[in-house]
Amino acid sequence: GAVVSQHPSRVICKSGTSVKIECRSLDFQATTMFWYRQFPKQSLMLMATSNEGSKATYEQGVEKDKFLINHASLTLSTLTVTSAHPEDSSFYICSARSRERSDTQYFGPGTRLTVL
Amino acid sequence: TQLLEQSPQFLSIQEGENLTVYCNSSSVFSSLQWYRQEPGEGPVLLVTVVTGGEVKKLKRLTFQFGDARKDSSLHITAAQPGDTGLYLCAGVRNFNKFYFGSGTKLNVKP
Repeated sequence: GAVVSQHPSRVICKSGTSVKIECRSLDFQATTMFWYRQFPKQSLMLMATSNEGSKATYEQGVEKDKFLINHASLTLSTLTVTSAHPEDSSFYICSARSRERSDTQYFGPGTRLTVL
Repeated sequence: TQLLEQSPQFLSIQEGENLTVYCNSSSVFSSLQWYRQEPGEGPVLLVTVVTGGEVKKLKRLTFQFGDARKDSSLHITAAQPGDTGLYLCAGVRNFNKFYFGSGTKLNVKP
């Protein structure tokens, strides 16, 4: 149980385009989803926290107009990188937490974004 | 500055050796988790420790939560190449906010 999927796993796009990444909890209802960014050989950097049906809470230094997060249902959250630039290239990982296990988050497999 | 500091940052050892990774903070956590991540994949939860002084064992891995719930350690006995990966600790505060450590990159050579 507690499986989280992400789609796509890899995406390459041109500078200036927008990219949408989906995060789904497959076998549980995710009341909270987290979006992280990870640079090579580094730890995870929390970008934002989203609760179902409400606006995401962004961490300091993360542009909310640049990284649009939608958590429209208990099993789906999306991250849209708008007007992507090469410096947005990174590994993006989502995680999901259920109401029953609030002290545990389950991670997706990540999405490798490359902006040319 | 990170709330949780991990040490060492990098560790390269021979198969069969023992090692310990530390996760330290000046803050108290309601629980602490250890994850292992392989390149190109998401972190996989290894263990959650909740009680101060708690010790949990997972085969060759031993996890300990400090008495004051501010620090934790991960000890691996007789490391194997399959243990290679990035080890991350994450502290939970207020049952809601997760704070990740800086990570320890382990390489076990055959």
